[in-house]
Amino acid sequence: AQSVTQLDSHVSVSEGTPVLLRCNYSSSYSPSLFWYVQHPNKGLQLLLKYTSAATLVKGINGFEAEFKKSETSFHLTKPSAHMSDAAEYFCVVRSIKAAGNKLTFGGGTRVLVKP
Amino acid sequence: DVKVTQSSRYLVKRTGEKVFLECVQDMDHENMFWYRQDPGLGLRLIYFSYDVKMKEKGDIPEGYSVSREKKERFSLILESASTNQTSMYLCASSGIWSEGLAGPKEGKNIQYFGAGTRLSVL
Repeated sequence: AQSVTQLDSHVSVSEGTPVLLRCNYSSSYSPSLFWYVQHPNKGLQLLLKYTSAATLVKGINGFEAEFKKSETSFHLTKPSAHMSDAAEYFCVVRSIKAAGNKLTFGGGTRVLVKP
Repeated sequence: DVKVTQSSRYLVKRTGEKVFLECVQDMDHENMFWYRQDPGLGLRLIYFSYDVKMKEKGDIPEGYSVSREKKERFSLILESASTNQTSMYLCASSGIWSEGLAGPKEGKNIQYFGAGTRLSVL
């Protein structure tokens, strides 16, 4: 079985400072990993994905994430936060053995950006 | 652009009512999913369908059923709504997972989400 733990339920940063959202996963097989973002009253949008290619993955809006197998982590970072980054972020894992393209979601991290 | 459309943004229903949530996708995707989203719990899979008339239970199917009579449409049914089913419901669709996809075809592996239906059961 697979699982995802997002280590912070809330993160507060100042505009222009770095953002770090932490995610640890558990999977019996080589995982595919995703980060989704949900802005208020909007659906989920894919930020980036890791599918066994390069371990450092670049996504939209300046975000990137690094897959570290030894640490079972897939932390999301951005060098400089913008007010528009205020949203909820979900770390997601898909096990290679998961039937029907099933995903497992973390509990979410809500990001607040202060001016 | 992929479009996943949920028929209602907000619904208010009474305990015991039968509730239908509708979802339509326009990308000819084989897979469709229903999740519920609750604070601190992320998204939890209720049911998914990998083909017309085919369905599989997700992690929390109790109290729900689904229907997929056409490829583009996936309905979630609450046979007798209860207050603990008050939640945000999200529909998603995707193609069949394939390894090694690149470029434009990579999109088949991604789940695309609708805007959600916030259901309140009173």
